[in-house]
Amino acid sequence: QVQLQESGPGLVKPSQTLSLTCTVSGDSIISGVYYWSWVRQHPGKGLEWIGYLFHSGSTYYNPSLRSRLTMSVDTSKNQFSLRLTSVTAADTAVYYCARYDTGGSVGAFDIWGQGTRVTVSS
Amino acid sequence: DIQMTQSPSSVSASLGDRVTITCRASQGVGSSLAWYQKKPGKAPNLLIYAASSLQSGVPSRFSGSGSGTDFTLTISSLQPEDFATYYCQQANSFPRTFGQGTNVEIK
Repeated sequence: QVQLQESGPGLVKPSQTLSLTCTVSGDSIISGVYYWSWVRQHPGKGLEWIGYLFHSGSTYYNPSLRSRLTMSVDTSKNQFSLRLTSVTAADTAVYYCARYDTGGSVGAFDIWGQGTRVTVSS
Repeated sequence: DIQMTQSPSSVSASLGDRVTITCRASQGVGSSLAWYQKKPGKAPNLLIYAASSLQSGVPSRFSGSGSGTDFTLTISSLQPEDFATYYCQQANSFPRTFGQGTNVEIK
């Protein structure tokens, strides 16, 4: 079955860049009608959609993060990535990668990674 | 942005109870609404998509209804594994937005 796994540093200093990668296994990232997504959850808070991209490289970002956010895909490695610049303590959260289905489970995040906790602190 | 407001924020219920959670959108989203279950330390799990379609593998005690601005998630008979936080999410407009969550607790 399809699985997603986040990787990246758990601690980032303020003003630096947060970089995370999600590795997709069990299927090709270029198959189907899926968008590859990032969602985060601040401590004790709800879920926030960060953005998603298609395997072609088309991206859709949350306007609240757009100025600091870059998402990219590496089809040769079956991975996609997130870069968030100029981080502050407000970016401390658990970051999830997820598959967004525009086909079967239309308009829903149907498969999720386990999440990775990122703390922004000096 | 479309604001998604869930009610109640928390509900205490007993095993076997029927539980209903409401999600209201600040503007119409058609049937583009999903529901998720989230447990501490775990990833969200998709329960319902397109407002009323049950995701494969999800028990039939979960059901969803509604369209436009008002939606409900119903658990027909609460089981021990159902104590969790539930989120709605709209897929009609950008940015995709989630409700603030409803915590289902043991009475």
